[in-house]
Amino acid sequence: DAGITQSPRHKVTETGTPVTLRCHQTENHRYMYWYRQDPGHGLRLIHYSYGVKDTDKGEVSDGYSVSRSKTEDFLLTLESATSSQTSVYFCAIGTDTQYFGPGTRLTVL
Amino acid sequence: RKEVEQDPGPFNVPEGATVAFNCTYSNSASQSFFWYRQDCRKEPKLLMSVYSSGNEDGRFTAQLNRASQYISLLIRDSKLSDSATYLCVVNRNYGGSQGNLIFGKGTKLSVKP
Repeated sequence: DAGITQSPRHKVTETGTPVTLRCHQTENHRYMYWYRQDPGHGLRLIHYSYGVKDTDKGEVSDGYSVSRSKTEDFLLTLESATSSQTSVYFCAIGTDTQYFGPGTRLTVL
Repeated sequence: RKEVEQDPGPFNVPEGATVAFNCTYSNSASQSFFWYRQDCRKEPKLLMSVYSSGNEDGRFTAQLNRASQYISLLIRDSKLSDSATYLCVVNRNYGGSQGNLIFGKGTKLSVKP
């Protein structure tokens, strides 16, 4: 398995609070991604990174920001969480073929 | 046509059965195709890439028909452990930029004793 960890694995928070999810990889891969997965939808790309300090938006980026200050870490921040951001968040690494972390289950009350 | 479309299932089959999943995609410029497997409450895991000539990995066979923009996955001699959701994945191939994988919503398979 690819060396990808995510933290926290579960989180419950309240509407309006900031939330940061962390993805850590030990594969030294240049490309990292954040997806969300919701019932009735396929995995949807939020943001991705193609190197330290290089990031770009995916198809559902509104309400999310990311940072990558080191190759191994990719942070996803919800500046002010909303109930619509309740989801399972997956981090991935790779180029054409992507490998996923274990996921973070986020509930926004 | 949706970017990637799959029959959601569920497919309920007995052990030992052969089952086939189909997937269609809309972007004729797509170059890379995959099947991922996702167990309940787990992350997606790569099952196999799909090549133009078709490819086989044990009990699993993947086929690609570019003309019809159609991908298939055949599972022979189903095992209880094959129960999972199978995701069809295609790249958008927009100028070669990364991060452009499109995931189908998945087809759920349940193999019964």
